[in-house]
Amino acid sequence: DTAVSQTPKYLVTQMGNDKSIKCEQNLGHDTMYWYKQDSKKFLKIMFSYNNKELIINETVPNRFSPKSPDKAHLNLHINSLELGDSAVYFCASARGQGYSPLHFGNGTRLTVT
Amino acid sequence: KNQVEQSPQSLIILEGKNCTLQCNYTVSPFSNLRWYKQDTGRGPVSLTIMTFSENTKSNGRYTATLDADTKQSSLHITASQLSDSASYICVVSVKSSGDKLTFGTGTRLAVRP
Repeated sequence: DTAVSQTPKYLVTQMGNDKSIKCEQNLGHDTMYWYKQDSKKFLKIMFSYNNKELIINETVPNRFSPKSPDKAHLNLHINSLELGDSAVYFCASARGQGYSPLHFGNGTRLTVT
Repeated sequence: KNQVEQSPQSLIILEGKNCTLQCNYTVSPFSNLRWYKQDTGRGPVSLTIMTFSENTKSNGRYTATLDADTKQSSLHITASQLSDSASYICVVSVKSSGDKLTFGTGTRLAVRP
């Protein structure tokens, strides 16, 4: 009965490759997010979708492209991976926006070699 | 610039003891303040959410306080347990379209037997 699930949990790949991370939530939430947590454990928002519509698109290289096929899924595709992309990526969801708590997945640790 | 600063960066306490974590923020306009607990290798889990009008909110042994005038919050943990060992992250929401959250870098708490 996992609420927000991400796959894979670990991803090791070489520079220049293209990879995807998948996220699914079974909470019936309208809003989904992608966050990046760097080596200093600082969480920074990348994207936010509400009912499949892009709401927040922070200053993220256009090599990162989110895709929301339906409101329960938000996938993250990364082209031409770079060393600096190594981080833990968290998917999250919330009921609407504003006051609702975020429910996070357990993260995908991406290592680019 | 919206910022959230937490102190201390890390803390070690003995099991059964109490502790208090601090959060100062410069986010404006303020919407709400959240505390999250992040276990190693897991996603953050929401502990409390407080709006401008709320001074204190409890969740079991966790009690958060908010002083919106001084822009300070604290998280008090009572009768600590080994399972409290985690990072505690203070998050402040900006009142705007979309729920822009500003994350602190967290306090790393270790509870020793």
